[in-house]
Amino acid sequence: GEDVEQSLFLSVREGDSSVINCTYTDSSSTYLYWYKQEPGAGLQLLTYIFSNMDMKQDQRLTVLLNKKDKHLSLRIADTQTGDSAIYFCAESMGDKIIFGKGTRLHILP
Amino acid sequence: KAGVTQTPRYLIKTRGQQVTLSCSFISGHRSVSWYQQTPGQGLQFLFEYFSETQRNKGNFPGRFSGRQFSNSRSEMNVSTLELGDSALYLCASSLEGGGWSYEQYFGPGTRLTVT
Repeated sequence: GEDVEQSLFLSVREGDSSVINCTYTDSSSTYLYWYKQEPGAGLQLLTYIFSNMDMKQDQRLTVLLNKKDKHLSLRIADTQTGDSAIYFCAESMGDKIIFGKGTRLHILP
Repeated sequence: KAGVTQTPRYLIKTRGQQVTLSCSFISGHRSVSWYQQTPGQGLQFLFEYFSETQRNKGNFPGRFSGRQFSNSRSEMNVSTLELGDSALYLCASSLEGGGWSYEQYFGPGTRLTVT
C-alpha cells in the first residue's frame, strides 16, 4: 500500500537545527517533496529530491534520502521564528502524489 | 507571475445543499488538482484535470466533481453536502502535472463549514 508517515509535532529552539523525518512505503516513488504550510495559507513547495539522489542542499535546507530504509528528512539550519509552520512530506509515482499528515514545527524562544 | 487564488476563502453551507468553489491558477499551467484537507485525514487528493479533461481521480464519491476551463480557471462542485465535507479545499496547478517533477503551486484554500 501507499503511505507517508510523519511525526505530528516538533519543538526546536530558535537558532538550533530542526530535523523533520518522514517514512514512505512505495519504493517506486519518482520524486519526494517537502512542502510548508503557514497559517491561513496553502502549501508552498520548499524543495524536492529525485529518487536516485541521496542529498540535496538549498541554503538553510538539507534533504537526505535513504532509499533502502525509505526514509526522508528535512534539516533546517539556524531555525528562525518564520520557520514556524506545518511541513508536509510527499511522494509521487506515476500520476499520483501522496502527502503525509504534516509535522507542526514550533519554535521556542 | 501571479499565484493561485481561490474564492471564496470561507463558506458556510447547510447539509444537503450544494456548493461550487472557484480557483484561478497560473497562466500557462496545464494541470490543476484539488485536495481536501482535514485534521483527521490530512491532505487527500480529489482529482486532477489536464488540458480541461479529468486525468486522475482520488477515492471520493461522485458527489465531488470538477471542471477546468481554458482561461486558467477551475471549479469544484460538491452536491448534497454532508457534515463530514467540512474541510479546507485546496487548488494547485502545475505545468504538466503527473509524476514528472510534480511542482505544484497551491492556493490559500477555501474553508468550507457544513452545518
